[in-house]
Amino acid sequence: GAVVSQHPSRVICKSGTSVKIECRSLDFQATTMFWYRQFPKQSLMLMATSNEGSKATYEQGVEKDKFLINHASLTLSTLTVTSAHPEDSSFYICSAIPGQGFVKNIQYFGAGTRLSVL
Amino acid sequence: SQKIEQNSEALNIQEGKTATLTCNYTNYSPAYLQWYRQDPGRGPVFLLLIRENEKEKRKERLKVTFDTTLKQSLFHITASQPADSATYLCALALNNDMRFGAGTRLTVKP
Repeated sequence: GAVVSQHPSRVICKSGTSVKIECRSLDFQATTMFWYRQFPKQSLMLMATSNEGSKATYEQGVEKDKFLINHASLTLSTLTVTSAHPEDSSFYICSAIPGQGFVKNIQYFGAGTRLSVL
Repeated sequence: SQKIEQNSEALNIQEGKTATLTCNYTNYSPAYLQWYRQDPGRGPVFLLLIRENEKEKRKERLKVTFDTTLKQSLFHITASQPADSATYLCALALNNDMRFGAGTRLTVKP
């Protein structure tokens, strides 16, 4: 149980385009999902906490107009990188914390999305 | 400021030996600490959670200790195998979310 699906796994786009990444909880409901960014050989950096039905909470230094988060249902959160530039190239990972029926406080991660902006 | 440090960026050991990874933290008082495994190009996978009132936890060949006085957690893999080669991340709870260390890349050589 507790599977998180992230799509796409890889995307290459031109500078200036927008890219949408989906994060789905397949067998549980997630009121809270998290979006991370990871550079090579570095730690996961929390970008924002996505709350179902309300606005996302962004970490300091993360531009909310640049990284749009929508958590429209209990099983889906999306991250849209708007007007992407080469410096946005990175590995983006989502995670979710299940509710009842699962061990508390454990995050289940998607497989990640490798974004390359040309 | 709060810091999480995993002492080695990389650790190489021989198959069959015990791997010991360290996670130190400062300016935190976490209620619990977690260890995750991350393979290249993949998301982390949860391994173990240890609470502040627990000294040690085991799961098969894995053992985690948590010393809140030293502000340190040790992660051990006994009888290591090449398949254990991966990056291991420690994570601490901060308010309602988790903060991760940079990870230690473990390579187990046959």
